[in-house]
Amino acid sequence: AQSVAQPEDQVNVAEGNPLTVKCTYSVSGNPYLFWYVQYPNRGLQFLLKYITGDNLVKGSYGFEAEFNKSQTSFHLKKPSALVSDSALYFCAVRDIERYSSASKIIFGSGTRLSIRP
Amino acid sequence: NAGVTQTPKFQVLKTGQSMTLQCAQDMNHNSMYWYRQDPGMGLRLIYYSASEGTTDKGEVPNGYNVSRLNKREFSLRLESAAPSQTSVYFCASSDLRTGPYSNQPQHFGDGTRLSIL
Repeated sequence: AQSVAQPEDQVNVAEGNPLTVKCTYSVSGNPYLFWYVQYPNRGLQFLLKYITGDNLVKGSYGFEAEFNKSQTSFHLKKPSALVSDSALYFCAVRDIERYSSASKIIFGSGTRLSIRP
Repeated sequence: NAGVTQTPKFQVLKTGQSMTLQCAQDMNHNSMYWYRQDPGMGLRLIYYSASEGTTDKGEVPNGYNVSRLNKREFSLRLESAAPSQTSVYFCASSDLRTGPYSNQPQHFGDGTRLSIL
């Protein structure tokens, strides 16, 4: 079965510093990976996805993610953090069911990112 | 630009009461989903509908029923609410491109916060 793990419940970074939010995955077959962000009292918003191709994927709000097949990781990164980046971040993997046409996604438990001024 | 609309936003129920959570999307998406979000557990899939006329169980379907009323609307019903169903419920939708392995991201509503006393 497909799964993702986010080993850190919380990440604290000073504004202007680079940030990394970690994600590792376990899949059978090719991994289809996603990052979502959730602001308070809102639904999840899609940030970026990796399907195939370049290992560095660029997404919304200046975020990028690095796919590493040997380490089965898909870490979210940003070169310079903003206070407005403070939110809950979810890594997710596509759950492939051979006989289903739905795009089911399995979410990690989430990492709370806090950017201090 | 409504996207995914959920109603109500908040609800308090007594144990044993029933209610229906409504969800509608205006993006002409084929697939729709219901999740619950609990602290430290990420999002767990309750039910999904790959296309109009079909519904399938997700990870935690017990105590819930769904109806895909038409392409736009997907409702979630609690027949006899229990305190364990206190949670934030999210509806999502995604496009279904050709083939069974669509990798389109999901679009989320802002959630229904449900408390069962």
